[in-house]
Amino acid sequence: TQLLEQSPQFLSIQEGENLTVYCNSSSVFSSLQWYRQEPGEGPVLLVTVVTGGEVKKLKRLTFQFGDARKDSSLHITAAQPGDTGLYLCAGNAGGTSYGKLTFGQGTILTVHP
Amino acid sequence: KAGVTQTPRYLIKTRGQQVTLSCSPISGHRSVSWYQQTPGQGLQFLFEYFSETQRNKGNFPGRFSGRQFSNSRSEMNVSTLELGDSALYLCASSLAKTSGGNTGELFFGEGSRLTVL
Repeated sequence: TQLLEQSPQFLSIQEGENLTVYCNSSSVFSSLQWYRQEPGEGPVLLVTVVTGGEVKKLKRLTFQFGDARKDSSLHITAAQPGDTGLYLCAGNAGGTSYGKLTFGQGTILTVHP
Repeated sequence: KAGVTQTPRYLIKTRGQQVTLSCSPISGHRSVSWYQQTPGQGLQFLFEYFSETQRNKGNFPGRFSGRQFSNSRSEMNVSTLELGDSALYLCASSLAKTSGGNTGELFFGEGSRLTVL
């Protein structure tokens, strides 16, 4: 059974601060995604990383996939109140498991003005 | 392009009843997956359908079932509801290209919030 451990579980920061969320596993994933979910809505895909060592940037968000494709991190620079939400990492085992993702427990981020 | 549509958005049932949830995927997406989200367990995979066939199944009891129609629309059913079935049920669709190159990207609906009393 593949597991993804996400940390921290809760993060409360002031506007303008930087933060990093980690996602770790003992299993290798074919790809890893990061989602953001707001209350009452479904998760929204932020990014997909596929290659070990890959780094992707989305405005103030930087995503990294570990060299061994077992871990990932999300770094937010100069956080804003609009970044508040639940951040989820999810790994795909590949093959024909198109829709089967293993999710981390999530990080609830609150950015105070 | 319309997103994933789930109905109903909210519903309340009592123990022992059964419920059917519906999902319309993004046009052209052939794979539909269902997830259960609870505060304690997070997002857990229920099952995935592709071309009307169940391809993957999570660790849920047989009370949870689903199906997919020829137009890729999907339904899931939960029979003999228990209090612990109260959750947000999320449907997600993916392109699932048979030519390969899939990266497992899912597009989620807003979910169906089930409360069991």
